[in-house]
Amino acid sequence: QQQVKQSPQSLIVQKGGIPIINCAYENTAFDYFPWYQQFPGKGPALLIAIRPDVSEKKEGRFTISFNKSAKQFSLHIMDSQPGDSATYFCAARDFNKFYFGSGTKLNVKP
Amino acid sequence: DGGITQSPKYLFRKEGQNVTLSCEQNLNHDAMYWYRQDPGQGLRLIYYSQIVNDFQKGDIAEGYSVSREKKESFPLTVTSAQKNPTAFYLCASMGGQGARGNTEAFFGQGTRLTVV
Repeated sequence: QQQVKQSPQSLIVQKGGIPIINCAYENTAFDYFPWYQQFPGKGPALLIAIRPDVSEKKEGRFTISFNKSAKQFSLHIMDSQPGDSATYFCAARDFNKFYFGSGTKLNVKP
Repeated sequence: DGGITQSPKYLFRKEGQNVTLSCEQNLNHDAMYWYRQDPGQGLRLIYYSQIVNDFQKGDIAEGYSVSREKKESFPLTVTSAQKNPTAFYLCASMGGQGARGNTEAFFGQGTRLTVV
């Protein structure tokens, strides 16, 4: 059973668009929610992360929105660029274990 | 530079053969992890180790084995008991010890294993 459910599986947007990737969880013990970016043939790299006592966090063009009561969080990419084309994973931490979503493959068209 | 090194990048295994994937880190992290990545399934935890000479099974440990004899090294052996080993394998280490646990996973570049 997947602890973190991620959608959509794939996403295509035009350059400058705002792709939104959503994740949901059930385990209220999760206390840290990172997003990872992965390019083909490479390992994932940390993009941005949030703790559940914060409703929004921005770093550059990337924003996490967090809704603790709904147990949902999402990644927004402002002014998306072709270089943002990658697979994005949400994750949630329960002390020393991380649980990952199934990934979203983003394609930003020029 | 500090980081995680996985080798080899590509590995081919014959039916019935055991193979070992290497993972080395120089980040001085206590915790190390092995994940398997399949298309559409995200990352699934195989084994993890919080400290030298200790490790625990993850969600899909069957057909795999690990050792943790040194802090820097956490090799994964894919045994012949693993019936569907073709996948992308990722090693990670985590730091930031404390009451709230590790705060970030650093990943290696992965090993792509193919059964031939």
